Amino acid sequence: QKEVEQDPGPLSVPEGAIVSLNCTYSNSAFQYFMWYRQYSRKGPELLMYTYSSGNKEDGRFTAQVDKSSKYISLFIRDSQPSDSATYLCAMRGGNTDKLIFGTGTRLQVFP
Amino acid sequence: DAGVTQSPTHLIKTRGQHVTLRCSPISGHKSVSWYQQVLGQGPQFIFQYYEKEERGRGNFPDRFSARQFPNYSSELNVNALLLGDSALYLCASSRQGTRVSPLHFGNGTRLTVT
Repeated sequence: QKEVEQDPGPLSVPEGAIVSLNCTYSNSAFQYFMWYRQYSRKGPELLMYTYSSGNKEDGRFTAQVDKSSKYISLFIRDSQPSDSATYLCAMRGGNTDKLIFGTGTRLQVFP
Repeated sequence: DAGVTQSPTHLIKTRGQHVTLRCSPISGHKSVSWYQQVLGQGPQFIFQYYEKEERGRGNFPDRFSARQFPNYSSELNVNALLLGDSALYLCASSRQGTRVSPLHFGNGTRLTVT
């Protein structure tokens, strides 16, 4: 069993839709949770960075962490074609730069 | 401010050869990490260096090595290249110290081994 599970998609939605992306994990030591966006032939770009359970909002993006269920989500409101990319969840335990990534979900937003 | 910069952007090597990849972190960041990303997968951790010391090593063979220089830039070296080493190699930097801080990635070096 992988430490972090993420549906690879692809997920195809119309412009303006609300997108929900999810990851589950098995290691209860994970405390810090991240979402990265990766365009083709580019490096991952940090979107959201959260600590412990709860919600965090930044513009059209909302990250949710439920540590009791070992489940994290990223919601994108009013999705745009420019949001078409691969979304990677990542997490880590303590003061280390070793991130454990999901496989990434490919999102396509069509006009 | 400049982000994490990596060179070269693309590289083609033959099996058995050696390769050196380079990374310059964001100004003020003292920690550099290396990741390997195979097509269709998430990045996998290879090394972390902080203040020129190795802080962590992933599950990669001894053919992989790295170092960090006094200006916090870093090199990743891979010896005796195999076809399976073909991947996008990502460098990330952070302020890592007593406070946990997020990682910022460069655009990577795409290595093709033929």
